[in-house]
Amino acid sequence: AQTVTQSQPEMSVQEAETVTLSCTYDTSESDYYLFWYKQPPSRQMILVIRQEAYKQQNATENRFSVNFQKAAKSFSLKISDSQLGDAAMYFCASFGNEKLTFGTGTRLTIIP
Amino acid sequence: GAVVSQHPSRVICKSGTSVKIECRSLDFQATTMFWYRQFPKQSLMLMATSNEGSKATYEQGVEKDKFLINHASLTLSTLTVTSAHPEDSSFYICSARVGTGFMQYFGPGTRLTVT
Repeated sequence: AQTVTQSQPEMSVQEAETVTLSCTYDTSESDYYLFWYKQPPSRQMILVIRQEAYKQQNATENRFSVNFQKAAKSFSLKISDSQLGDAAMYFCASFGNEKLTFGTGTRLTIIP
Repeated sequence: GAVVSQHPSRVICKSGTSVKIECRSLDFQATTMFWYRQFPKQSLMLMATSNEGSKATYEQGVEKDKFLINHASLTLSTLTVTSAHPEDSSFYICSARVGTGFMQYFGPGTRLTVT
């Protein structure tokens, strides 16, 4: 079984600043993958970044990067140079045993 | 590439009727499709996993007879909500996967309102 916990229901950041969203997970799988998805008001799920658990190097996609701490089962998302278009719900997710399990989400507000 | 569509995007039906939601992979063949349900301001919950040509696997607590899933081809899966009630009102999202990989591609979702 997998569980994903996001302890920050809401976060806000000033435009152009940096913000970090927290996520912890638990899984009994030895082979798993971790994701951050963005859900804007349109409700379309958009993949932000992914991390293969067997890789030690933290994934980076432009302004988005993760801090993957496997032993601590932590997978935080850092957004640099925040932009107004980053405002959305962000879901952390874990894929293992053929299932994708989502956290409860963090609503990110960008302050102009 | 990897586009998934859903139809309809919004549907309103009367209590007691059935409604069908389609999920299509437009530019790839999806051996597996997943159906999720999302209540307002909540997370996505997996309802069922469907593999082309075989019966869907439902998550614990999901009524098989109420939420009928058919995956008749490699590009189409349907979710039929039978005898819908107001408590079935929700946002339904499908996703599709190629082969046995870990990547899922999400559709835009369908908002169902039962009156």
